[in-house]
Amino acid sequence: ELKVEQNPLFLSMQEGKNYTIYCNYSTTSDRLYWYRQDPGKSLESLFVLLSNGAVKQEGRLMASLDTKARLSTLHITAAVHDLSATYFCAVDEETSGSRLTFGEGTQLTVNP
Amino acid sequence: DAGVTQSPTHLIKTRGQHVTLRCSPISGHKSVSWYQQVLGQGPQFIFQYYEKEERGRGNFPDRFSARQFPNYSSELNVNALLLGDSALYLCASSPSAQRLNTGELFFGEGSRLTVL
Repeated sequence: ELKVEQNPLFLSMQEGKNYTIYCNYSTTSDRLYWYRQDPGKSLESLFVLLSNGAVKQEGRLMASLDTKARLSTLHITAAVHDLSATYFCAVDEETSGSRLTFGEGTQLTVNP
Repeated sequence: DAGVTQSPTHLIKTRGQHVTLRCSPISGHKSVSWYQQVLGQGPQFIFQYYEKEERGRGNFPDRFSARQFPNYSSELNVNALLLGDSALYLCASSPSAQRLNTGELFFGEGSRLTVL
């Protein structure tokens, strides 16, 4: 059974600081997704990482994938309050179709 | 262009009742997946349908069922509701049933079910 673990689960940080969220998964996969969810809202796709060594950046967020280590990171640079949300990583098993297994989520709060 | 639309957005049921949730995929998308998200947790896969056929099923009891119609819309049915079925039910659409090549999995706003 595929397991996806994120840490930390809760993250409180000050504006302007940097931090990294980690996502570990238990089976081979070369596809990993990061989503953002605001309270009471649906999932917004942030990044799609489709190969080992993939790195993608959008604004203050950068995601990377190391399939050998079964690890993805989401790095936050110079956080701002608007980044406050819950962030999920999700893994697409190699034998499945469009079926994702999600982590528990990291609840990020950026304080002024 | 309309995204994935779900209805109803909110509903309240009592234990033992039955519920039907509806989803219309993005135009041109033929695959619909359903996920359950309990408060404070990540979404969990329930079903995937493609071309009216079930292509995948998650670890959910037989009280959960779904179907897809010729226009690719879908319904999720849950019988004999339990308190633990209270959750946000998310529908996602994608162009095909194959592995996502470009992350083309789009989620709707969800149906929030409360079971009392």
